[in-house]
Amino acid sequence: GENVEQHPSTLSVQEGDSAVIKCTYSDSASNYFPWYKQELGKRPQLIIDIRSNVGEKKDQRIAVTLNKTAKHFSLHITETQPEDSAVYFCAARSNDYKLSFGAGTTVTVRA
Amino acid sequence: DTGVSQDPRHKITKRGQNVTFRCDPISEHNRLYWYRQTLGQGPEFLTYFQNEAQLEKSRLLSDRFSAERPKGSFSTLEIQRTEQGDSAMYLCASADLAVDNEQFFGPGTRLTVL
Repeated sequence: GENVEQHPSTLSVQEGDSAVIKCTYSDSASNYFPWYKQELGKRPQLIIDIRSNVGEKKDQRIAVTLNKTAKHFSLHITETQPEDSAVYFCAARSNDYKLSFGAGTTVTVRA
Repeated sequence: DTGVSQDPRHKITKRGQNVTFRCDPISEHNRLYWYRQTLGQGPEFLTYFQNEAQLEKSRLLSDRFSAERPKGSFSTLEIQRTEQGDSAMYLCASADLAVDNEQFFGPGTRLTVL
């Protein structure tokens, strides 16, 4: 089955700086890679996703890059704000449609 | 609220008791997923349905766990003879197969087994 590894497990950044989270996956058949943000006590919410036929996608301050050859993908948050503080999960989905999640990255934005 | 809903939000039970959780997906979503999330970890896939058919079960889903989606709408997850290791957040998600990019998650049911 798919195995997704996520690094780092915790990330502290100064407000206004950038944050980068990296994930690797094992199943070369995986073709869809969403990123979820989960605030304390709340449900995971999709913030951005990328399909395997695209190398990069951007939505305002958030961008995701995908390297299919190396089987890794990354989340980039620029100009971080206090409300970006949360746990971020990467995931990979293969043809059977179930998501395999990374262990999560706790992001703290220092004011 | 037209999102995914789950009931109850919290459940405290004693070891050995049976518990049942309910998930109401977004209307007309034909895919429904159950995940388990423990503290400090990402959600782990348990099982999923397409309409009323249960298509896959994870090996995490022991014989004590059973899930149903009898009419292809809401789903229930039952845990029999609960153990302390079952304590976790149980998340439900739904998706539309025709627009299958996003799984929308419910708020979860937090189970504590004493």
